[in-house]
Amino acid sequence: GQNIDQPTEMTATEGAIVQINCTYQTSGFNGLFWYQQHAGEAPTFLSYNVLDGLEEKGRFSSFLSRSKGYSYLLLKELQMKDSASYLCAALDSNYQLIWGAGTKLIIKP
Amino acid sequence: IAGITQAPTSQILAAGRRMTLRCTQDMRHNAMYWYRQDLGLGLRLIHYSNTAGTTGKGEVPDGYSVSRANTDDFPLTLASAVPSQTSVYFCASSDSSQSTDTQYFGPGTRLTVL
Repeated sequence: GQNIDQPTEMTATEGAIVQINCTYQTSGFNGLFWYQQHAGEAPTFLSYNVLDGLEEKGRFSSFLSRSKGYSYLLLKELQMKDSASYLCAALDSNYQLIWGAGTKLIIKP
Repeated sequence: IAGITQAPTSQILAAGRRMTLRCTQDMRHNAMYWYRQDLGLGLRLIHYSNTAGTTGKGEVPDGYSVSRANTDDFPLTLASAVPSQTSVYFCASSDSSQSTDTQYFGPGTRLTVL
């Protein structure tokens, strides 16, 4: 079956760095998305990776290893507004997104 | 309208009643999607539409139907609501379904079936 695994919850300190991991098993693979979702709001797009390596976008970076079925989202210089759930989703061979349950990130002052 | 809108924002519904959740986008996207989001579970695809006039079943289509009469609108109907359909429903759209295009989400409808 198809499966996305990511930690349920993580806690980090304001100003620090946090890495949120995601492993995936899908029938075919056409890329890996990360979305941010604040409580009570809609998911919003953060990043997309289809090739191995690191993609940097400001304070956020996303990494992909296709051979390991693994991705991570790296958040630097954490701010209180980064408190949210982070959703990992893999695009399968039918171009349908398979979603993880999300990682709730709690930022403490 | 800017982006995707959904209506209603929230609804409490008696079991057995019929309900239509509305979704409208003004981005001229070809593809549209309906998801449900339940606590502890990932977003699950209910139905999708690759282009106006076509629809397809997702992971959890039972009890739901959709139509796509035009590019902008993609309503989701619960013919006879049951308590297990209590969830938050998100509509999304993307420029194309056969690509890596980003999906953009509406604000969601919180539905409670009693």
